[in-house]
Amino acid sequence: DAGVTQSPTHLIKTRGQQVTLRCSPKSGHDTVSWYQQALGQGPQFIFQYYEEEERQRGNFPDRFSGHQFPNYSSELNVNALLLGDSALYLCASSGASGPAYEQYFGPGTRLTVT
Amino acid sequence: AQSVTQPDIHITVSEGASLELRCNYSYGATPYLFWYVQSPGQGLQLLLKYFSGDTLVQGIKGFEAEFKRSQSSFNLRKPSVHWSDAAEYFCAVGARTHNFNKFYFGSGTKLNVKP
Repeated sequence: DAGVTQSPTHLIKTRGQQVTLRCSPKSGHDTVSWYQQALGQGPQFIFQYYEEEERQRGNFPDRFSGHQFPNYSSELNVNALLLGDSALYLCASSGASGPAYEQYFGPGTRLTVT
Repeated sequence: AQSVTQPDIHITVSEGASLELRCNYSYGATPYLFWYVQSPGQGLQLLLKYFSGDTLVQGIKGFEAEFKRSQSSFNLRKPSVHWSDAAEYFCAVGARTHNFNKFYFGSGTKLNVKP
């Protein structure tokens, strides 16, 4: 059973550019959450998607947007990149059939903005 | 507002010694509580969780944690540390709204294990 997968593993972008990160949830899961983990910090909640809609959002600007597809996979888009966007971006999935509060995390995408 | 505090940024213990990592939380109701471990360059692996019931919970890799409501704490313990336990440990609180699971994480404790 494949767990949560994310792509790409690493990414280098320049300030002002746009980036798209991808996530496939664990089999059987229908809810995807995105987190940003800056160096030396704990993960911070960006937003959560369920039934292709953003269900809840953390304290992140509108430059951060997302999408969920009918197969439950998800994308995180960040526009007008800033140096401060450099971080590990983690995707977590959870399932409606199991405890909705139990999240499984992917390995993350390391984004470096230069 | 919900928050999680891990007061120890770095901890070093000798292999075979006991370990306790501290976690304090702020939450208006009884929370869901979690401990995750993160190895360098890796995602988060769930060690254990507390939802309700017995306040002493057992997890994987020989870890346990105790929920103390009066102290708003959920400390992680292991009786004998192995070199492979060196990693970063995160405590998290799950916001308890129906079918919604937003997590608040602490800033982590980095564990070093001396041979």
